[in-house]
Amino acid sequence: QVQVVQSGAEVKKPGASVKVSCKASGYTFSNYYINWVRQAPGQGLEWVGIINPANGGTTYEQKFQDRVTMTTDTSTRTVFMDLNSLKSDDTAVYYCARGKRVDTPTVLSPFDYWGQGTLVAVSS
Amino acid sequence: EIVMTQSPATLSVSPGERATLSCRASQSVSSNLAWYQQKPGQAPRLLISAASTRATGIPARFSGSGSGTEFTLTISSLQSEDCAVYYCQQYNNWPSLTFGGGTKVEIK
Repeated sequence: QVQVVQSGAEVKKPGASVKVSCKASGYTFSNYYINWVRQAPGQGLEWVGIINPANGGTTYEQKFQDRVTMTTDTSTRTVFMDLNSLKSDDTAVYYCARGKRVDTPTVLSPFDYWGQGTLVAVSS
Repeated sequence: EIVMTQSPATLSVSPGERATLSCRASQSVSSNLAWYQQKPGQAPRLLISAASTRATGIPARFSGSGSGTEFTLTISSLQSEDCAVYYCQQYNNWPSLTFGGGTKVEIK
């Protein structure tokens, strides 16, 4: 069965960086995009960006463009999200979620499998 | 960016009654609209895709309708386990997929 498992909670100081991992199993890893979504405490869902696990191609939400990097390791079926220059309002639960198929450009689909979430707390 | 607006922010419904949630897009998203359910401390769960198609294992009391800019999620007979926050998401403007602000459903 499809599973998406994320790394554990992180506590960071302002200005630091954090790297969150997302390991997928139960399907052909390179066939589906992986998205990152965050949720600040008591707030809604905010899309951060997307990565093609097959070739590492990425698109980031504009507000994160200068601070986020998403990468992939096909040998371990894992994608990573690196967020730098952390601020207190980056405190949130970060989710990875499987998106649309890579090989069907015109077929759009939502996020069908989500990781359990990773709390990133930024505090001095 | 397509802005998604959900209403109401909070909905109080008696057990067994119907709950109707609304989602409006700032421009047409065709039928590329999804609904998610999120319970406290859990990740969102996909309920509905393509505006009206239930995901695997989702009970028949959940139904979606609409196209273009106006969408509705209906819970036909509210159960206690349906208390959650519900989010709509447009996936027409790929890859920038935006969410609504959420509707919290509670038992009256």
